[in-house]
Parts: sequence; C-alpha cells; structure tokens
Amino acid sequence: DQQVKQNSPSLSVQEGRISILNCDYTNSMFDYFLWYKKYPAEGPTFLISISSIKDKNEDGRFTVFLNKSAKHLSLHIVPSQPGDSAVYFCAASSDSGTYKYIFGTGTRLKVLA
Amino acid sequence: ETGVTQTPRHLVMGMTNKKSLKCEQHLGHNAMYWYKQSAKKPLELMFVYNFKEQTENNSVPSRFSPECPNSSHLFLHLHTLQPEDSALYLCASSKEDEQFFGPGTRLTVL
Repeated sequence: DQQVKQNSPSLSVQEGRISILNCDYTNSMFDYFLWYKKYPAEGPTFLISISSIKDKNEDGRFTVFLNKSAKHLSLHIVPSQPGDSAVYFCAASSDSGTYKYIFGTGTRLKVLA
Repeated sequence: ETGVTQTPRHLVMGMTNKKSLKCEQHLGHNAMYWYKQSAKKPLELMFVYNFKEQTENNSVPSRFSPECPNSSHLFLHLHTLQPEDSALYLCASSKEDEQFFGPGTRLTVL
C-alpha cells in the first residue's frame, strides 16, 4: 500500500504562471514532509520542508501548504520558470530521528516558455 | 555539486556476476542510505546506516549486501541479481532532516 501518493504523473504550465503539485498521504503519524526536485541524470535535491505544527512554509518562489485533516500537501511555484522543469517528489516521515522517509512516485513538471 | 558521489554511474551485469556500487560523501554527515528507484514506482528505502551502524534493512533480499566501513563511504555489494533488480540506485546522506542525494547508478541486469 502506497503511503505517499502523487496522483499526477505530469503537469505542464506556462512560464510566469503558478505550478501546483499535489501530494496525499495515508499515515496520520507522518509529521514532517519534504519536497525534492530531480533533474535527469542527477540525484534528487532538497527543495523545501514543512513540519506538522505549521500549515504553510515559504521560501522565495516556493510555498508548501499542509492540510493535516485532509492528509494533503501541495507545492506552489510562482512564477514558474523554464528551469523549474523537473520531476518533483514529496516525502514524509513519522519521526525525523529515524531517518526513514517514504517517497511518492513523483510528478514531472514542464514549464513552457 | 551535492557532495555525494556514486560510482559507477552505469553498470551492466549478468545474473551470475558480482559487482559493487560505491558511494562517498565529504559533507560530515553521520547517516547514509541506499534507495532503489524503479520506473513508475516510489523511491524505495533499502538500507540506513547511522554512525556506521545499520539501523534499517527494509526487507531487502540477501543478494544485496551493504557495507559501511566509515561514515564517509557506503558500498552495495551485488551478487546473483535478477533482471527485475534493474533500476537506478541512489545513495544519500544526511545530518539532520535534509537528505543529500548522489547522482545514482543506473544498473541493468541481463
């Protein structure tokens, strides 16, 4: 059973517009969430995180929203740029001290110039 | 440059071969991980080492054998693999919550 789900395998957005990537989880014990970005032939790189004590975290053009009751988080990128084209993974952990993260399958974002 | 390197980047091996994947980090991190990424599947955590001690073995078949001689190096020894083991194998390291990934080794088992 997949505990972290990214139901949209791909997304295309026009440059300058907002990109919204979604992630759902089933385990109510998850309390820490991260987004990673992956370019072809490279490993994932950390983008932004959020703890369950918050419902929003912002870093420049990237904002992550957490809705604990819906077990849903989303990553907003605004304005989207062609360099944002990559695969985005969300990951969740029930205890950051255990070092164990469950990853989603990823969403491929394509930002059109 | 993420500071986590993996060699080789590509590997093709037969089912009877023995090979090893190598991961190295010089970020001063105390935890290192092996992940498997298969097409259209979530990243699967395989092994976790914390201060050179294995703290997680996620039901990985014994044909995969990890080794962590020190906190900067991590190996994955492979023997008698199956074609379904073909995947991208990612190494990562962390000090706190953020994990830094290597570029991965693309493994093909014939």
